Amino acid sequence: KAGVTQTPRYLIKTRGQQVTLSCSPISGHRSVSWYQQTPGQGLQFLFEYFSETQRNKGNFPGRFSGRQFSNSRSEMNVSTLELGDSALYLCASSLADRLEAFFGQGTRLTVV
Amino acid sequence: ELKVEQNPLFLSMQEEKNYTIYCNYSTTSDRLYWYRQDPGKSLESLFVLLSNGAVKQEGRLMASLDTKARLSTLHITAAVHDLSATYFCAVDIPGTYKYIFGTGTRLKVLA
Repeated sequence: KAGVTQTPRYLIKTRGQQVTLSCSPISGHRSVSWYQQTPGQGLQFLFEYFSETQRNKGNFPGRFSGRQFSNSRSEMNVSTLELGDSALYLCASSLADRLEAFFGQGTRLTVV
Repeated sequence: ELKVEQNPLFLSMQEEKNYTIYCNYSTTSDRLYWYRQDPGKSLESLFVLLSNGAVKQEGRLMASLDTKARLSTLHITAAVHDLSATYFCAVDIPGTYKYIFGTGTRLKVLA
Protein backbone atom coordinates (compact mmCIF):
# COMPACT_ATOMS: atom_id res chain seq x y z
CA LYS A 1 0.00 0.00 0.00
CA ALA A 2 1.55 3.28 -1.09
CA GLY A 3 2.05 5.93 1.53
CA VAL A 4 1.44 9.65 1.39
CA THR A 5 3.40 11.17 -1.47
CA GLN A 6 4.54 14.75 -1.50
CA THR A 7 6.14 16.51 -4.42
CA PRO A 8 8.55 18.06 -4.88
CA ARG A 9 10.83 16.98 -2.04
CA TYR A 10 12.98 20.08 -2.19
CA LEU A 11 12.41 23.58 -3.52
CA ILE A 12 14.45 26.74 -3.58
CA LYS A 13 12.55 29.91 -4.36
CA THR A 14 13.28 33.61 -4.32
CA ARG A 15 11.44 36.12 -2.16
CA GLY A 16 8.31 37.36 -3.85
CA GLN A 17 7.79 34.24 -5.93
CA GLN A 18 4.97 31.80 -5.42
CA VAL A 19 5.08 28.05 -4.94
CA THR A 20 2.69 25.11 -5.22
CA LEU A 21 3.18 21.93 -3.24
CA SER A 22 1.36 18.69 -3.95
CA CYS A 23 0.17 15.86 -1.75
CA SER A 24 -1.28 12.51 -2.82
CA PRO A 25 -2.94 10.75 0.10
CA ILE A 26 -3.11 7.06 0.81
CA SER A 27 -5.74 5.40 -1.35
CA GLY A 28 -9.12 5.64 0.32
CA HIS A 29 -8.13 8.50 2.61
CA ARG A 30 -10.31 11.54 2.11
CA SER A 31 -8.96 13.78 4.87
CA VAL A 32 -5.79 15.68 4.04
CA SER A 33 -4.04 18.06 6.41
CA TRP A 34 -1.05 20.32 5.99
CA TYR A 35 1.48 21.36 8.61
CA GLN A 36 4.44 23.71 8.61
CA GLN A 37 7.49 22.74 10.62
CA THR A 38 10.18 25.25 11.56
CA PRO A 39 12.85 25.16 14.27
CA GLY A 40 11.37 28.19 15.98
CA GLN A 41 7.65 27.50 15.82
CA GLY A 42 7.58 23.73 15.72
CA LEU A 43 4.73 21.97 13.96
CA GLN A 44 1.83 24.26 13.10
CA PHE A 45 -1.45 23.40 11.48
CA LEU A 46 -2.17 25.01 8.10
CA PHE A 47 -5.38 23.47 6.71
CA GLU A 48 -7.54 20.38 6.64
CA TYR A 49 -9.59 19.24 3.68
CA PHE A 50 -12.23 16.57 3.36
CA SER A 51 -14.08 15.80 0.16
CA GLU A 52 -12.85 19.01 -1.46
CA THR A 53 -14.02 21.18 1.47
CA GLN A 54 -11.73 23.07 3.77
CA ARG A 55 -12.93 22.31 7.27
CA ASN A 56 -10.37 24.28 9.19
CA LYS A 57 -7.52 26.68 8.63
CA GLY A 58 -4.68 27.60 10.94
CA ASN A 59 -3.49 31.02 11.89
CA PHE A 60 -1.55 31.84 8.73
CA PRO A 61 -1.81 34.85 6.43
CA GLY A 62 -3.93 34.76 3.30
CA ARG A 63 -0.81 34.12 1.22
CA PHE A 64 -1.22 30.51 2.23
CA SER A 65 -4.01 28.74 0.42
CA GLY A 66 -4.92 25.22 -0.52
CA ARG A 67 -7.39 23.03 -2.28
CA GLN A 68 -8.39 19.43 -2.64
CA PHE A 69 -9.43 17.67 -5.78
CA SER A 70 -12.11 15.06 -6.33
CA ASN A 71 -9.49 12.29 -6.18
CA SER A 72 -8.48 13.59 -2.71
CA ARG A 73 -5.13 14.90 -3.90
CA SER A 74 -4.35 18.25 -2.37
CA GLU A 75 -2.23 21.24 -3.21
CA MET A 76 -1.11 24.16 -1.17
CA ASN A 77 0.05 27.45 -2.57
CA VAL A 78 2.13 30.15 -0.99
CA SER A 79 2.25 33.48 -2.79
CA THR A 80 4.67 36.35 -2.36
CA LEU A 81 7.17 34.20 -0.55
CA GLU A 82 9.01 35.57 2.45
CA LEU A 83 12.23 34.34 4.03
CA GLY A 84 10.21 33.18 7.03
CA ASP A 85 8.28 30.76 4.85
CA SER A 86 11.34 28.53 4.68
CA ALA A 87 10.22 25.33 6.37
CA LEU A 88 9.41 21.68 6.03
CA TYR A 89 5.82 21.35 4.81
CA LEU A 90 4.18 18.11 5.82
CA CYS A 91 1.01 16.59 4.50
CA ALA A 92 -0.97 13.96 6.38
CA SER A 93 -3.86 11.80 5.27
CA SER A 94 -6.52 9.98 7.25
CA LEU A 95 -9.65 8.00 6.82
CA ALA A 96 -12.89 9.82 7.47
CA ASP A 97 -12.80 8.99 11.18
CA ARG A 98 -9.39 10.63 11.49
CA LEU A 99 -8.33 8.10 14.09
CA GLU A 100 -4.82 8.05 12.74
CA ALA A 101 -2.86 10.37 10.48
CA PHE A 102 -0.07 9.23 8.19
CA PHE A 103 2.50 11.77 7.14
CA GLY A 104 4.32 12.17 3.87
CA GLN A 105 8.05 12.77 3.55
CA GLY A 106 7.53 16.49 3.34
CA THR A 107 8.62 19.26 1.03
CA ARG A 108 11.62 21.26 2.17
CA LEU A 109 11.09 24.84 0.98
CA THR A 110 13.97 27.29 1.12
CA VAL A 111 13.30 30.93 0.33
CA VAL A 112 16.36 33.01 -0.54
CA GLU B 1 -5.71 28.69 23.68
CA LEU B 2 -4.82 25.03 23.70
CA LYS B 3 -1.30 24.24 24.77
CA VAL B 4 0.54 20.97 24.53
CA GLU B 5 3.69 20.90 26.57
CA GLN B 6 6.34 18.26 26.55
CA ASN B 7 9.16 17.81 28.95
CA PRO B 8 11.96 17.50 28.90
CA LEU B 9 12.83 19.29 25.67
CA PHE B 10 16.18 17.58 25.50
CA LEU B 11 17.14 14.24 26.94
CA SER B 12 20.56 12.70 26.87
CA MET B 13 20.64 9.27 28.37
CA GLN B 14 22.91 6.29 28.66
CA GLU B 15 22.12 3.03 26.98
CA GLU B 16 20.21 0.53 29.11
CA LYS B 17 18.70 3.30 31.27
CA ASN B 18 15.00 4.02 31.66
CA TYR B 19 13.31 7.37 31.27
CA THR B 20 9.91 8.99 30.75
CA ILE B 21 8.79 11.81 28.49
CA TYR B 22 5.74 13.75 29.63
CA CYS B 23 3.06 15.38 27.54
CA ASN B 24 0.58 17.74 29.22
CA TYR B 25 -2.30 19.37 27.40
CA SER B 26 -4.69 22.08 28.44
CA THR B 27 -8.08 21.06 27.05
CA THR B 28 -10.35 18.05 26.90
CA SER B 29 -9.38 15.40 24.42
CA ASP B 30 -9.41 11.63 24.36
CA ARG B 31 -7.21 11.26 21.31
CA LEU B 32 -3.50 11.51 21.74
CA TYR B 33 -0.73 10.46 19.40
CA TRP B 34 2.99 9.90 19.65
CA TYR B 35 5.26 10.37 16.68
CA ARG B 36 8.95 9.90 16.07
CA GLN B 37 10.99 12.08 13.75
CA ASP B 38 14.53 11.40 12.62
CA PRO B 39 16.62 14.35 11.41
CA GLY B 40 15.43 15.60 8.04
CA LYS B 41 12.70 13.00 7.91
CA SER B 42 8.94 12.93 8.28
CA LEU B 43 6.84 11.86 11.24
CA GLU B 44 6.46 8.18 11.98
CA SER B 45 3.40 7.14 13.93
CA LEU B 46 4.27 5.31 17.14
CA PHE B 47 1.12 5.12 19.22
CA VAL B 48 -2.54 6.05 18.96
CA LEU B 49 -4.22 6.45 22.36
CA LEU B 50 -7.97 6.80 22.17
CA SER B 51 -9.35 6.49 25.67
CA ASN B 52 -8.62 7.19 29.28
CA GLY B 53 -6.28 4.60 30.72
CA ALA B 54 -5.06 3.43 27.33
CA VAL B 55 -1.65 1.82 27.43
CA LYS B 56 0.26 0.63 24.40
CA GLN B 57 3.69 -0.93 24.08
CA GLU B 58 6.01 -1.55 21.19
CA GLY B 59 9.46 -2.84 21.88
CA ARG B 60 11.21 -0.60 24.38
CA LEU B 61 8.53 2.10 24.22
CA MET B 62 5.33 2.25 26.19
CA ALA B 63 2.75 5.03 26.05
CA SER B 64 -0.14 5.77 28.36
CA LEU B 65 -2.96 8.27 28.54
CA ASP B 66 -4.73 9.81 31.52
CA THR B 67 -7.45 12.06 30.13
CA LYS B 68 -8.53 13.26 33.56
CA ALA B 69 -5.06 14.55 34.32
CA ARG B 70 -4.61 15.59 30.67
CA LEU B 71 -1.33 13.76 30.68
CA SER B 72 0.35 11.21 28.47
CA THR B 73 3.67 9.55 29.09
CA LEU B 74 6.14 7.84 26.81
CA HIS B 75 8.33 5.47 28.79
CA ILE B 76 11.60 4.22 27.42
CA THR B 77 12.97 0.99 28.83
CA ALA B 78 16.63 0.03 28.51
CA ALA B 79 17.37 2.64 25.88
CA VAL B 80 19.43 1.79 22.83
CA HIS B 81 21.17 4.11 20.37
CA ASP B 82 18.56 3.44 17.66
CA LEU B 83 15.97 5.25 19.75
CA SER B 84 17.79 8.55 19.27
CA ALA B 85 15.27 10.86 17.57
CA THR B 86 12.81 13.63 18.33
CA TYR B 87 9.52 12.50 19.83
CA PHE B 88 6.31 14.50 19.48
CA CYS B 89 2.98 14.11 21.14
CA ALA B 90 -0.10 15.50 19.42
CA VAL B 91 -3.63 16.09 20.62
CA ASP B 92 -6.68 15.89 18.41
CA ILE B 93 -9.28 18.44 19.44
CA PRO B 94 -12.78 17.17 18.71
CA GLY B 95 -14.50 19.02 15.90
CA THR B 96 -11.48 21.05 14.84
CA TYR B 97 -9.97 18.55 12.39
CA LYS B 98 -6.44 19.42 13.48
CA TYR B 99 -3.68 18.15 15.69
CA ILE B 100 -1.91 20.37 18.16
CA PHE B 101 1.66 19.20 18.50
CA GLY B 102 3.89 19.40 21.50
CA THR B 103 7.25 21.08 21.34
CA GLY B 104 9.05 17.79 20.85
CA THR B 105 11.64 16.00 22.97
CA ARG B 106 15.02 15.48 21.40
CA LEU B 107 16.37 12.21 22.69
CA LYS B 108 19.99 11.23 22.40
CA VAL B 109 21.06 7.84 23.60
CA LEU B 110 24.75 7.65 24.34
CA ALA B 111 26.63 4.43 23.80
